[in-house]
Amino acid sequence: QITLKESGPTLVKPTQTLTLTCTFSGFSLSTSGVGVGWIRQPPGKALEWLALIYWDDDKRYSPSLKSRLTITKDTSKNQVVLTMTNMDPVDTATYYCALSSIAAAGSFRYWGQGTLVTVSS
Amino acid sequence: QSALTQPASVSGSPGQSITISCTGTSSDVGSYNLVSWYQQHPGKAPKLMIYEGSKRPSGVSNRFSGSKSGNTASLTISGLQAEDEADYYCCSYAGSPWVFGGGTKLTVL
Repeated sequence: QITLKESGPTLVKPTQTLTLTCTFSGFSLSTSGVGVGWIRQPPGKALEWLALIYWDDDKRYSPSLKSRLTITKDTSKNQVVLTMTNMDPVDTATYYCALSSIAAAGSFRYWGQGTLVTVSS
Repeated sequence: QSALTQPASVSGSPGQSITISCTGTSSDVGSYNLVSWYQQHPGKAPKLMIYEGSKRPSGVSNRFSGSKSGNTASLTISGLQAEDEADYYCCSYAGSPWVFGGGTKLTVL
C-alpha cells in the first residue's frame, strides 16, 4: 500500500523560510523511474506544480519559483524535503506531495492528504 | 509556462455525458500524449482519473475516458452520477515543467 504524508508548520511569517517534509511508504525513491513531486493549491484556486525529484537525484523546478525552491531526498528515511524561501501571504496554500512513476508517465498517481500553510504576521 | 485553459464550469443531469476540454499549446498538450486528469472533491486530495491522455488507473470507472486532438485534450464522463460532482483538473507534462489547468467545476443537476 502506497501512502504519502506531508508535515511542517501550519503558520509561517512573511520573509521566513518554509520547510515541508513528505514521508512515504510502499515504494522506494531509489527505484528507477520513480519521482516525488510537490504541488500546491491556494484556497479556492487551482493546482500549481512546484518541484519534483527523481530516483537519480535529477531535480526539476517551476520556472516561476525556481529561485526560491530547493528539493532534496533522503532515501534511507523515505522522505523528500521542500524548502521555499522568502514566504509571502500569496504563498498561503495547501501543499501536497505526490508520487510520479514511469508506469504512469507524466502523472501523479498517489497523493498525500495535503497540509495547509498560512503565511501571516 | 501559462496554465492550461479549462471551462470554469460544466453541468449535466444524471445519466447524461459531459466533456471537459483542456486547451494548451504545441509546446505542452500538443507535443506529447502525456495529459493527465484529476478529480478533486471538496477538502480532499486530487485523484488521478486519466493518464497518458487516455489510460485509466486501476479502480477508476470506465465511465471516464480521455482523448486529444491537436492542442486540446478532453475528459468525457458518461452515465453521470451524483458522486461525479467535483472539480476536475487537467495537467500536461512535456519534459518539465508540469502545467495544470485552471480547473472545472462539474455540477450534477
